[in-house]
Amino acid sequence: TQLLEQSPQFLSIQEGENLTVYCNSSSVFSSLQWYRQEPGEGPVLLVTVVTGGEVKKLKRLTFQFGDARKDSSLHITAAQPGDTGLYLCAGVGSGTYKYIFGTGTRLKVLA
Amino acid sequence: KAGVTQTPRYLIKTRGQQVTLSCSPISGHRSVSWYQQTPGQGLQFLFEYFSETQRNKGNFPGRFSGRQFSNSRSEMNVSTLELGDSALYLCASSLGNSRETEAFFGQGTRLTVV
Repeated sequence: TQLLEQSPQFLSIQEGENLTVYCNSSSVFSSLQWYRQEPGEGPVLLVTVVTGGEVKKLKRLTFQFGDARKDSSLHITAAQPGDTGLYLCAGVGSGTYKYIFGTGTRLKVLA
Repeated sequence: KAGVTQTPRYLIKTRGQQVTLSCSPISGHRSVSWYQQTPGQGLQFLFEYFSETQRNKGNFPGRFSGRQFSNSRSEMNVSTLELGDSALYLCASSLGNSRETEAFFGQGTRLTVV
């Protein structure tokens, strides 16, 4: 069974701090997506990484796909209260079209 | 273009009743997946439909079923509702023709069983 483990599970930081969220698996994924979800809403796609070693930047967010395509990280620089939410990584399982979601990281940024 | 639309947004049902939720995918998308999200269990995969056929299935009891129509719209049905079925039900649509395809979510249906 393919699993995506995220760490940390919870994170509470002050505005202006930096943070990194990790998404790890023992399996290879052809691509990984990162989503952010706010309470009562559906997850919103932030980015897709496809190539091993790929780095993508979205304003203050930096996403990296591991060289072996088994892990990914999300780094936020100078976090703001608007970054608060549940961050989920997801990938398509090997041999299926089924999305596998990570366990989630709940981030709270305090003003 | 229009996003994924789920109806209704909120629903309150009584134990033992049944419920049908609807999902209209993004135009041109042929795959619709359904998920149950609860605080304790996170996002759990229910099933995926592609071109009117169930292509993948999660580990949920037979009370949970779904279908997809020729226009790619999908419905999910839960029969004999239990208190534990209270959750946010999300659907996601994608092109579904590649293992690198991205999924786009609706806002979800919040089901409360009392």
